[in-house]
Amino acid sequence: QSVLTQPPSASGTPGQRVTISCSGSSSNIGGNTVNWYQQLPGTAPKLLISTNNQRPSGVPDRFSGSKSGTSASLAISGLQSEDEADYYCAAWDDSLNGYVFGTGTKVTVL
Amino acid sequence: EVQLVESGGGLVQPGGSLRLSCAASGFTFSGYNMNWVRQAPGKGLEWVSYISSSSSTIYYADSVKGRFAISRDNAKNSLYLQMNSLRDEDTAVYYCARGGVRISGVDVWGQGTTVTVAS
Repeated sequence: QSVLTQPPSASGTPGQRVTISCSGSSSNIGGNTVNWYQQLPGTAPKLLISTNNQRPSGVPDRFSGSKSGTSASLAISGLQSEDEADYYCAAWDDSLNGYVFGTGTKVTVL
Repeated sequence: EVQLVESGGGLVQPGGSLRLSCAASGFTFSGYNMNWVRQAPGKGLEWVSYISSSSSTIYYADSVKGRFAISRDNAKNSLYLQMNSLRDEDTAVYYCARGGVRISGVDVWGQGTTVTVAS
């Protein structure tokens, strides 16, 4: 049972903006940075957003991250068909002394 | 090219042991913290263990504490995961992953190796 909660699914048409939420607590998101990962079908995950809102080299600026209190969000602007994937938030948890992933959100492009 | 290649997965009976290896190339392995992350069939990601660049700091998920042991050999550019007392619920794809999970996250992932625990 993950300590970071995400909606199981999200969807949009090409060009739309989709937002995914990630809810945690003071021991994880509230006190540490949040990372986001994208996992395309049948592949290994890929780091999408680092340290709350930083895009690693090569990640399109359509992807953006934010954090407020004990919650975080990933926004995908100008949704494209290749964005269809599973998305996970993650953060260090000081109480568990471990790295926790969110429950995951499957994004569908209609 | 930065690359992580896992090996050692396979079919093992409950209670058995397995040792996973991860060969790193294309970067200075000794300068990076490393992790193991797993994904059960049809399920989400689960962090398993972390080891600092010098092996001075090690963390484990509660689900594997006391059964799994992470280690590394910087001279061989290799990361290991010794898995003992395996259970059905340890069945998963195991990924070797580079990065400091406390801040910046995991930025390089291997392709994964499959561990199946079944009788």
